[in-house]
Amino acid sequence: GESVGLHLPTLSVQEGDNSIINCAYSNSASDYFIWYKQESGKGPQFIIDIRSNMDKRQGQRVTVLLNKTVKHLSLQIAATQPGDSAVYFCAENGGRSQGNLIFGKGTKLSVKP
Amino acid sequence: DSGVTQTPKHLITATGQRVTLRCSPRSGDLSVYWYQQSLDQGLQFLIQYYNGEERAKGNILERFSAQQFPDLHSELNLSSLELGDSALYFCASSGQGANTEAFFGQGTRLTVV
Repeated sequence: GESVGLHLPTLSVQEGDNSIINCAYSNSASDYFIWYKQESGKGPQFIIDIRSNMDKRQGQRVTVLLNKTVKHLSLQIAATQPGDSAVYFCAENGGRSQGNLIFGKGTKLSVKP
Repeated sequence: DSGVTQTPKHLITATGQRVTLRCSPRSGDLSVYWYQQSLDQGLQFLIQYYNGEERAKGNILERFSAQQFPDLHSELNLSSLELGDSALYFCASSGQGANTEAFFGQGTRLTVV
């Protein structure tokens, strides 16, 4: 499978364009999902979350889409900026409302000025 | 600032040694999670504590242990260290409600030489 670091999937976009980062989650029991952003040398930072009773949720410049049928999650970033350059992780709760999150492998977003 | 504090930020130690990583959760959060992040493994869940008691275990080696104290801070103890234990170790905390996001600290970078 894919790995963080040397084998990390990378998405390169031009500043001002929209970005779409995809994630396939693993557990059909998962009913809560989060997108995190991790900048170099820092801890993961919460971006947006969505519960399984929703298909779409919007934040400031970000939108998360959930397709439970195919267990797919996506993060859309509008008008991508250089400050958006980071590794993005999706996380699922595995059906446990107060348990640990299960993280995907991550996608590196690189924004060209 | 997530409100989660980890110390130390960096740690360099020799193989065979033992180290303790410390985490102070966000004020009021009862759950503490420990994750390991290495280049080829992504974010791997190690262990969760809730109000002083172990709640869930992930891929935590027998050489590793953790505890959560009455003041809710947590410590992760790593012993008989091997080169492969070199990684970033993150602590996260979350609130009492169901399906709430986890907030991450800045991590401790452990280098075993």
